[in-house]
Amino acid sequence: GDSVTQMEGPVTLSEEAFLTINCTYTATGYPSLFWYVQYPGEGLQLLLKATKADDKGSNKGFEATYRKETTSFHLEKGSVQVSDSAVYFCALDNTDKLIFGTGTRLQVFP
Amino acid sequence: DTAVSQTPKYLVTQMGNDKSIKCEQNLGHDTMYWYKQDSKKFLKIMFSYNNKELIINETVPNRFSPKSPDKAHLNLHINSLELGDSAVYFCASSNRGATEAFFGQGTRLTVV
Repeated sequence: GDSVTQMEGPVTLSEEAFLTINCTYTATGYPSLFWYVQYPGEGLQLLLKATKADDKGSNKGFEATYRKETTSFHLEKGSVQVSDSAVYFCALDNTDKLIFGTGTRLQVFP
Repeated sequence: DTAVSQTPKYLVTQMGNDKSIKCEQNLGHDTMYWYKQDSKKFLKIMFSYNNKELIINETVPNRFSPKSPDKAHLNLHINSLELGDSAVYFCASSNRGATEAFFGQGTRLTVV
């Protein structure tokens, strides 16, 4: 069945460092891909999305490109802030439901 | 003007009890979901309803029974609670075929 694999955390960075969180997927057909973020004590919020190959989703300085050839959707940010500390979930939607990766905790220190 | 609201936010109860979690969305969406997040933050879909009809039921024990009185509400009733039911339960909504789901704040259920 469809699945999402993302890198284990936690990822610990200093403020202004470059961030990459890897995400790969397995799916039949052409799923939509998402990054959701969960701040401490809160629900999930959509961070960005891409619905077809080569689309780039971007929001709040974060970017991810839908790469069909490598079945990947890696999340990047050029300069992280302390306020970016959260758990990040990669997800796909192929059959009217979201399938999530295991989440990656990001900790940013000043 | 919360988009997806769940109540209660926290629920502590003893094993064997029956409890309900309520969810309401004011976004006009036609599809609602329940997801379970375990202690390791892993999120897995439990149920999905479209226009009050069950469309996804992901191998969830019969003790869990969703009820959708109308397309703006999807409640989750749990019978004979077990320790392993302790988790955070998230409600979400979307329009079927749309690419974004909106999540509630979650209900942290603790079974003691």
